[in-house]
Amino acid sequence: ETGVTQSPTHLIKTRGQQVTLRCSSQSGHNTVSWYQQALGQGPQFIFQYYREEENGRGNFPPRFSGLQFPNYSSELNVNALELDDSALYLCASSLEGRGPSEKLFFGSGTQLSVL
Amino acid sequence: GEDVEQSLFLSVREGDSSVINCTYTDSSSTYLYWYKQEPGAGLQLLTYIFSNMDMKQDQRLTVLLNKKDKHLSLRIADTQTGDSAIYFCAASREGDKIIFGKGTRLHILP
Repeated sequence: ETGVTQSPTHLIKTRGQQVTLRCSSQSGHNTVSWYQQALGQGPQFIFQYYREEENGRGNFPPRFSGLQFPNYSSELNVNALELDDSALYLCASSLEGRGPSEKLFFGSGTQLSVL
Repeated sequence: GEDVEQSLFLSVREGDSSVINCTYTDSSSTYLYWYKQEPGAGLQLLTYIFSNMDMKQDQRLTVLLNKKDKHLSLRIADTQTGDSAIYFCAASREGDKIIFGKGTRLHILP
């Protein structure tokens, strides 16, 4: 158990809809990162939030956005869903905004299917 | 940008050693990692090595790093059925995002 929980575990949406995925970080962790893992692929970095501000972004379009709250919970929002957005979305929390990533603790993910 | 490559499948008999290999392209990578993913679960960090190290051993796990060739390997001694999973090689620069390979699915034969 990493202490990082994600909800929901599974979700089905249709193309064009919007979705919000939620993550509850390990207690006291002030940094959260989101990754997308397509079937048969490794996780790809979407973005990171540190103290409620975006602190780095991968190669994802603006329709992927996030929020981090003072209680260190966070959300990943995806607008105008496309079929290729179908993937496992992983949240990872850590204590610092920088530094060795061995401190990353991953949740079990939300499996998103876009039909 | 950084690219991390690894073979997709490996089959090993129970009790034998498993060796999973990986190559990366960014010579400025500071940290090299091995993660494990079991079905329906997130990623579990198994071990990591700093780029100025050649080897790291942790119980049944041995990581070897050849920085010149940008080659990383993970050896699992006395492989057990519980080791069946997908193993991801990953790399990052200091304070930067982690780049993952596509994962090696380890299958244990009885």
